[in-house]
Amino acid sequence: DAGITQSPRHKVTETGTPVTLRCHQTENHRYMYWYRQDPGHGLRLIHYSYGVKDTDKGEVSDGYSVSRSKTEDFLLTLESATSSQTSVYFCAGGGWGTDTQYFGPGTRLTVL
Amino acid sequence: EDKVVQSPLSLVVHEGDTVTLNCSYEVTNFRSLLWYKQEKKAPTFLFMLTSSGIEKKSGRLSSILDKKELFSILNITATQTGDSAIYLCAVSGTYKYIFGTGTRLKVLA
Repeated sequence: DAGITQSPRHKVTETGTPVTLRCHQTENHRYMYWYRQDPGHGLRLIHYSYGVKDTDKGEVSDGYSVSRSKTEDFLLTLESATSSQTSVYFCAGGGWGTDTQYFGPGTRLTVL
Repeated sequence: EDKVVQSPLSLVVHEGDTVTLNCSYEVTNFRSLLWYKQEKKAPTFLFMLTSSGIEKKSGRLSSILDKKELFSILNITATQTGDSAIYLCAVSGTYKYIFGTGTRLKVLA
């Protein structure tokens, strides 16, 4: 969906360094989500936001934090990256329930 | 614990075949079920289902939901090589979506 962009699209970093991934949307989605996708696990929810400054944990939130200071931006931070956080990260926006969910293009993160 | 299970895990067919992909779920406070297609990039939205028995259709793809038996199927008729992808099922619970691991479909020419 052109309304959701992610940056960077690719990143290689070293174990122990902090990393911030950015999700930007222009569709005024109230709800935003961060997922990681790994072979054999499908898409797993890391954190989600249901409004500005309103966030909650998903099923794999350990080692990750998020912030949403304005509707358009949803940041995912790895405080101290580990090799187990090597993955493809997708941001999504939209709704839950009777609304649908659209994905950004993804960020491929490699932690050496 | 909420869960979504898709079957089969993978499938290889020939062009022109019809395929049926399955998604069963156990999710608290069910609101909707979504199907996505994922090629080598982000998932793209196919269907959203909220009511039992009402078929959603788009070209050669169709889907239906059974809220009593807690499952959905995605049918693809007259498959083409361009249908090769991972098909993801997601079910919405409270504020969030639970995804299955997907069905990998390969269509041979």
